[in-house]
Amino acid sequence: NIVLTQSPASLAVILGQKATISCTASESVNKFGINLMHWYQQKPGQLPKILIYNEFSRAPGIPARFSGDEAELNFTLTIEPVEADDVATYYCQQGLTFPLTFGSGTKLEIK
Amino acid sequence: QVQLQQSGAELAKPGSSVKISCKASGYTFTSYYISWIKQTTGQGLEYIGYINTGSGGTNYNEKFKGKATLTVDKSSSTAFMQLSSLTPDDSAVYYCARYRSGSGHYFDYWGQGVMVTVSS
Repeated sequence: NIVLTQSPASLAVILGQKATISCTASESVNKFGINLMHWYQQKPGQLPKILIYNEFSRAPGIPARFSGDEAELNFTLTIEPVEADDVATYYCQQGLTFPLTFGSGTKLEIK
Repeated sequence: QVQLQQSGAELAKPGSSVKISCKASGYTFTSYYISWIKQTTGQGLEYIGYINTGSGGTNYNEKFKGKATLTVDKSSSTAFMQLSSLTPDDSAVYYCARYRSGSGHYFDYWGQGVMVTVSS
């Protein structure tokens, strides 16, 4: 199975600053030049919501403050500027091979 | 708007089974697969499998073969997951989600989740 290692497990960011969340895959998730890496946001007590799919494509209605990037097998979700409403746990998920797998999550808090 | 409405919380005894439902609305049901995902505090999010809502074909995570059975009723736009031989390790929140199979294999809409508690 493809293992996704997320870091940090939690981070606290000042309002208006940048949050960077990392997800490292144990092997390539690339198919035909597209990295099948996706990001979700889960606010406390709520269901997960898709933010970014296929590495950097924002889902409908997701603001440009959220962006995805990749360097080798290391994927990043950046939130800038961070708003109070962004308090949540963020998960990465790979879509290349079955079983589909998720990272362990990064909890974002406001400092 | 797309909605996935799941059935209510379940309290079950060890060794028993539960069947939870996921009723879709706001889109053509058979145009998208439905997936099921388990969430626990310790294990995070785990993919259970998907069902092709048109053909009934399934894909299961090996870990959940024999534990979960996915079915669908096209006439009511409802997907079902039966969990059998329950143990306390099956206590979790179970989500259904609309599965984007041809666009990168991700989940674009989620149900509200069903909490299953297994306890004697």
